Amino acid sequence: DTEVTQTPKHLVMGMTNKKSLKCEQHMGHRAMYWYKQKAKKPPELMFVYSYEKLSINESVPSRFSPECPNSSLLNLHLHALQPEDSALYLCASSQEVQLGGYTFGSGTRLTVV
Amino acid sequence: QKEVEQNSGPLSVPEGAIASLNCTYSDRGSQSFFWYRQYSGKSPELIMSIYSNGDKEDGRFTAQLNKASQYVSLLIRDSQPSDSATYLCAVIGGGGSNYKLTFGKGTLLTVNP
Repeated sequence: DTEVTQTPKHLVMGMTNKKSLKCEQHMGHRAMYWYKQKAKKPPELMFVYSYEKLSINESVPSRFSPECPNSSLLNLHLHALQPEDSALYLCASSQEVQLGGYTFGSGTRLTVV
Repeated sequence: QKEVEQNSGPLSVPEGAIASLNCTYSDRGSQSFFWYRQYSGKSPELIMSIYSNGDKEDGRFTAQLNKASQYVSLLIRDSQPSDSATYLCAVIGGGGSNYKLTFGKGTLLTVNP
């Protein structure tokens, strides 16, 4: 199994809603990541988890809250988002943080209305 | 500040030609280099990784690395219309940020039938 699975594929939410994005991998990778990508821009790193611990938060606003329940799962909890948060949210994993070579999930297209 | 520079294109080549994509990086300590392909509306897909100076070939793709010149390239031989996508150069390692995969802005490649 060489996939990273993200759900949902599309999400529309209001600015007062609470929602969660989910990511799952079964490749035995110990590093997992959340990226945000706006149209015609490269992916921007949000969070890094290494061995289920949050190791990097790239100064992301607190309305985004990551969670790593176990070595295969990564969640991103969303609350009180703004329209400018609309983007493609990508989960990725790699064997170790320093090795690069990330495998990306198919992403969640988020629209905040 | 690590930077990864790519010509944004668009780069247009006829079917069957060689497409040449270039990338420069600013952090001389960078260790690992990657090329991702991203179709419109889809997530990035890892197509090549290279870690040492020289050429690395995989099918129709050849990655070239020159650390002295801080230059990475991707050659696509016998280009096909299905190769039309944005190609992202990404670099990891160097300085104090060996966890972070830094992306260039991407080069849009169009292969004309």
